[in-house]
Amino acid sequence: GAGVSQSPSNKVTEKGKDVELRCDPISGHTALYWYRQSLGQGLEFLIYFQGNSAPDKSGLPSDRFSAERTGGSVSTLTIQRTQQEDSAVYLCASSLFLGQGYEQYFGPGTRLTVT
Amino acid sequence: GIQVEQSPPDLILQEGANSTLRCNFSDSVNNLQWFHQNPWGQLINLFYIPSGTKQNGRLSATTVATERYSLLYSSSSQTTDSGVYFCAVISGTYKYIFGTGTRLKVLA
Repeated sequence: GAGVSQSPSNKVTEKGKDVELRCDPISGHTALYWYRQSLGQGLEFLIYFQGNSAPDKSGLPSDRFSAERTGGSVSTLTIQRTQQEDSAVYLCASSLFLGQGYEQYFGPGTRLTVT
Repeated sequence: GIQVEQSPPDLILQEGANSTLRCNFSDSVNNLQWFHQNPWGQLINLFYIPSGTKQNGRLSATTVATERYSLLYSSSSQTTDSGVYFCAVISGTYKYIFGTGTRLKVLA
């Protein structure tokens, strides 16, 4: 596609439920990134993928968070047993390659509200 | 870890005014981008500028990597320029570190 897409755009869930957030990167982009932006706050890095591999998972806030990427394309961020503090906008970005010389392009985000 | 600070935190301008936003970073970087986050939350790339100067229409950016800062200039501001401006740098592995942002409001 022309840009990074994310789904759903909005998700309201009850505390304790599991949610899955999807990211479709720009076609041909090998690197993919997930960020979180809490209300009125800056952007917090969560995880990056090179192909299907996520070498560094230390940015994930807790073991309730997991992410995977398949076929070098679509990625899913899963939050188990959601808590109210998980409420935020989750942003996905992709770049042509991993590394310091490549621009990141962001999707529109998924707004998650945990009630 | 690397620290990224932006100033001013908030800025209100009249339409037609010029502005300068600043991004300071605490360590050397090889990658710096400026983004505009519009009122709907979409982050839009403005510049990829690890060093030097670039211009795009009413916007220009300069990064002086040796002095660890970058500037974003805007001329003849329009109400559609309102939003939050972020700079972001890469540190360590491959994760972007975002600045705290400058919230800009342009009044008609």
